[in-house]
Amino acid sequence: AQKITQTQPGMFVQEKEAVTLDCTYDTSDQSYGLFWYKQPSSGEMIFLIYQGSYDEQNATEGRYSLNFQKARKSANLVISASQLGDSAMYFCAMREHLVGDGNKLVFGAGTILRVKS
Amino acid sequence: ETGVTQTPRHLVMGMTNKKSLKCEQHLGHNAMYWYKQSAKKPLELMFVYNFKEQTENNSVPSRFSPECPNSSHLFLHLHTLQPEDSALYLCASSQAAGQNTEAFFGQGTRLTVV
Repeated sequence: AQKITQTQPGMFVQEKEAVTLDCTYDTSDQSYGLFWYKQPSSGEMIFLIYQGSYDEQNATEGRYSLNFQKARKSANLVISASQLGDSAMYFCAMREHLVGDGNKLVFGAGTILRVKS
Repeated sequence: ETGVTQTPRHLVMGMTNKKSLKCEQHLGHNAMYWYKQSAKKPLELMFVYNFKEQTENNSVPSRFSPECPNSSHLFLHLHTLQPEDSALYLCASSQAAGQNTEAFFGQGTRLTVV
């Protein structure tokens, strides 16, 4: 069963505007973590932001924020003031079983973001 | 050096060859991972090592053989691969199980099997 769903294969955004990348997840665990990674054409996966299932506040890191809606099981990434360098593939990932063994990330299919000048 | 380093960056090999991918991390982490990224597919977790012990083998064919001699180094030994094994192979590291920390990735090895 698909654990992480990213429904947007590709997105366009105008430079300096905000964009939201969607992510929904499926888990029966109470304790889990949600991550967003950026993968530019070079191939490296760059960590952007983390949200724990018990965190009451939405995570923010600079221009990145995570819109966490636990009841809906969604963890959308919001990028504000888009820059040309934000053009990349973006992956949502989840880690289950935070207590004990099983420290592994499961990834969604990704969303390609293109920032237009 | 800091971060996670993978070598080689690119590899072309025949189906009868034997080669190895290398991953090294200088972050003091004690868990390491191999992921496979094929075109138009999500990243697939292949192997997990916690404190040098393999804790996950995600139904990976035996033509892929991992080795973790210490918590800083991880290898993926390849033999008699198939063209469908062509992909980007990513290594990652993190603190061990049970801790809410992100995984740090290397830049990957782009493997082409001919």
